[in-house]
Formats: sequence, C-alpha cells, structure tokens
Amino acid sequence: AQKITQTQPGMFVQEKEAVTLDCTYDTSDPSYGLFWYKQPSSGEMIFLIYQGSYDQQNATEGRYSLNFQKARKSANLVISASQLGDSAMYFCAMREGRGTGNQFYFGTGTSLTVIP
Amino acid sequence: NAGVMQNPRHLVRRRGQEARLRCSPMKGHSHVYWYRQLPEEGLKFMVYLQKENIIDESGMPKERFSAEFPKEGPSILRIQQVVRGDSAAYFCASSPRDRGNEQFFGPGTRLTVL
Repeated sequence: AQKITQTQPGMFVQEKEAVTLDCTYDTSDPSYGLFWYKQPSSGEMIFLIYQGSYDQQNATEGRYSLNFQKARKSANLVISASQLGDSAMYFCAMREGRGTGNQFYFGTGTSLTVIP
Repeated sequence: NAGVMQNPRHLVRRRGQEARLRCSPMKGHSHVYWYRQLPEEGLKFMVYLQKENIIDESGMPKERFSAEFPKEGPSILRIQQVVRGDSAAYFCASSPRDRGNEQFFGPGTRLTVL
C-alpha cells in the first residue's frame, strides 16, 4: 500500500481564493510526522508546514494550515488567499517513528495553478 | 547560516561514465539523506547516512550506486556506469542531531544521461 496518497494531479484556484490539497497516509506507527513541501518550477524543495501525530491542534504557518484528521488518516493542506507565486508542485510527506533516523515517504504531488 | 549545498546543480554524462554528486549539509547537521526524483514523480528515499556510517540504504539500487559521508567534507553519491534511466533530480537533505521534525533540502542536482 502507498504510504502517502495525493489524488489530485492538478488543481486550479482563482487568485485570492482558498484551496485545499488532499493527502492521505497509511501507517501503523503511533508516532509519525506529516509534512508539506512546495516545489516551484526552479526545482528546489521548500518546507511549508509540519504536523506531529500527537499534536492536539492543527498546524498553521501564515497562509498555510494543515487540516489533520487522524481517524481518517488525512492531512490536507489549506492555502488561504492564494497568490500567483503559489503556483507550484506540492508534495505531502510522512516520517514514521521518532528522531532523525527515519526516511521520508513522499506522495506523487499536486500541481497547483493560481489563475489571475 | 547557509542552507544545504549541492553541486553541481546540473550534470550531463554519457552512458557508461561516472557521476559524482556532492552534498554539504547545513552547519551543525550530522544526518544526511539522499532522494531521487524521476520526472513527474515524487521523491524516493535512497540512503541515510551519519558521519562515516551508512544507517539505512534500503532505497539504493544494489548495483552501481554508492554513498559516503566522510568525517571531513561533503557527502558523495556516486553512480558508476550511468544509464539513461539514471536521469533524474537527486536531492540531499540534512537534519540536526537533536531534531527530527524537519529535513532541510538542498536545491538538487539534475543528472542527464545522454
């Protein structure tokens, strides 16, 4: 089974509107972390937001928020007030276990296009 | 504090040649991860190293690929006798000893095999 599933290969959003990018995950480890990265056309991976499996509240970072629904194993990224510069690939990732000794599992990504 | 450095950013090799990709982690980071991104795909884990040790190489192809992280100097991902299927973006990430919540990614090396 896929560890991380992103079912939206491409999404469009009007500038200044909010958009939700879906991510579901699969793990039996009670301790895990969920991450979202942005990859613009230039290719670098930019960290956006992190959610720990034991965190009680949904993570927020500026215009980014993570809608964490543990029972559904979903970790959707919400971008509010979209900007043209938000057009990029977005990857959801998961790390199982504690500490730094574990690999990240990445989804296949969602391509977001912000329309003026 | 400089971020993760990778060089070269772009590398072109002919089939059968060797490719050497370098990664300098962020200052104070002793954990390095290598990932490969094939066109139109997400990143796939290859190997995790600490200084002078390979901790997890479960994602490394069994042949032609090797990685090291010496006591001094950058981490090296080495691909011998490259084939066209090795064409991809190779990302390095680093994390500090006492935090596991983030991996900081380098800009990647784009390898093209002709």
